[in-house]
Amino acid sequence: EDQVTQSPEALRLQEGESSSLNCSYTVSGLRGLFWYRQDPGKGPEFLFTLYSAGEEKEKERLKATLTKKESFLHITAPKPEDSATYLCAVQPFSSGSARQLTFGSGTQLTVLP
Amino acid sequence: NAGVTQTPKFRVLKTGQSMTLLCAQDMNHEYMYWYRQDPGMGLRLIHYSVGEGTTAKGEVPDGYNVSRLKKQNFLLGLESAAPSQTSVYFCASQLAPTPYNEQFFGPGTRLTVL
Repeated sequence: EDQVTQSPEALRLQEGESSSLNCSYTVSGLRGLFWYRQDPGKGPEFLFTLYSAGEEKEKERLKATLTKKESFLHITAPKPEDSATYLCAVQPFSSGSARQLTFGSGTQLTVLP
Repeated sequence: NAGVTQTPKFRVLKTGQSMTLLCAQDMNHEYMYWYRQDPGMGLRLIHYSVGEGTTAKGEVPDGYNVSRLKKQNFLLGLESAAPSQTSVYFCASQLAPTPYNEQFFGPGTRLTVL
């Protein structure tokens, strides 16, 4: 069974205090790993897709990395507007043509001014 | 482009009542999905569609039905609502799957069943 575990569940940072969010996964074969951002009362917003171990992608203060067992979302010098819940999802090869995603329960990030 | 839209935004039902949630996308995407999101459990797939006229069950399909009569619309129905169906429902769409396209989500429908 495919599983995605995100840690920590919640993280509070001071503005400018860099940190990392973790996404550990167990899948039979990984087609892709996705990171989404979700603001309160809104739908998830796509951030990154990673396909193979060693791959890295960056967007502003965010950098996502991938190994064979986990992914990290590094946040450098965060600002209050980075406060949100960050979701990790995996798309296994077993999802076939449906391209189904299995989501973790998310990390709620709060950045204090 | 409006992207993915959902109707209604909020709804309160009594146990046993029925309702239909509407999802519409204007991006000409082939694939559409219905998820529910509950505290501490992440997003779980209810049903999905890989094209007009086709639907399939996801992880938690019991108590729900879906239809995709038009490519741009994906309907989620609750025939006899139960309190366990209180949740936030999200629709998502995805372009044909090559390369590995991301899913785009709607704003959600918050449903309460009393």
